[in-house]
Amino acid sequence: SAVISQKPSRDICQRGTSLTIQCQVDSQVTMMFWYRQQPGQSLTLIATANQGSEATYESGFVIDKFPISRPNLTFSTLTVSNMSPEDSSIYLCSVGAGQGINYGYTFGSGTRLTVV
Amino acid sequence: DQQVKQNSPSLSVQEGRISILNCDYTNSMFDYFLWYKKYPAEGPTFLISISSIKDKNEDGRFTVFLNKSAKHLSLHIVPSQPGDSAVYFCAALETGAGSYQLTFGKGTKLSVIP
Repeated sequence: SAVISQKPSRDICQRGTSLTIQCQVDSQVTMMFWYRQQPGQSLTLIATANQGSEATYESGFVIDKFPISRPNLTFSTLTVSNMSPEDSSIYLCSVGAGQGINYGYTFGSGTRLTVV
Repeated sequence: DQQVKQNSPSLSVQEGRISILNCDYTNSMFDYFLWYKKYPAEGPTFLISISSIKDKNEDGRFTVFLNKSAKHLSLHIVPSQPGDSAVYFCAALETGAGSYQLTFGKGTKLSVIP
């Protein structure tokens, strides 16, 4: 399955600033996904990023707050803009992986963001 | 509204015994289910999945059972090992919806006691 390198692994940021998270995949993938896990909550899909087109955002998430880039088939970035303490979460990127009955999704190691 | 529920936030099991992690869902359109394991400071790791056309899928020590009529699935780990101690997430997917959104439960923390 694909190997994902995600960075930074953690950061502490001042409110009002922005942070860009990077994900690099060791193989070409059509779709990449960005998730958020708030404290004590389940993982929630933010958006799906396809190469060469605008990302598709899930309800409750907007491009101005979470702009995404997908310049090629192995790389994507997610920016958390104008941060507030409510943005403190773990952010994860993911790609599809596997075949057939055991098709799954591979996740990066996550970025633990704390906004102060 | 939680469409995927893991009602047990934690579970403790003796090494060598069976661990059973449960998951319930409410959306009858879900037709593909996955289990993930997550260690602290790491991303979730895919364990095993099952399609709604099956009622069982086995991979080594891990078996997932699906009861569609009850909208319930479970992950069995036999025998349990201390290295299995982690948070386990159940996730569901509606493959026909055109979206690749995985809907996750909140997780169950498994502790395997040596």
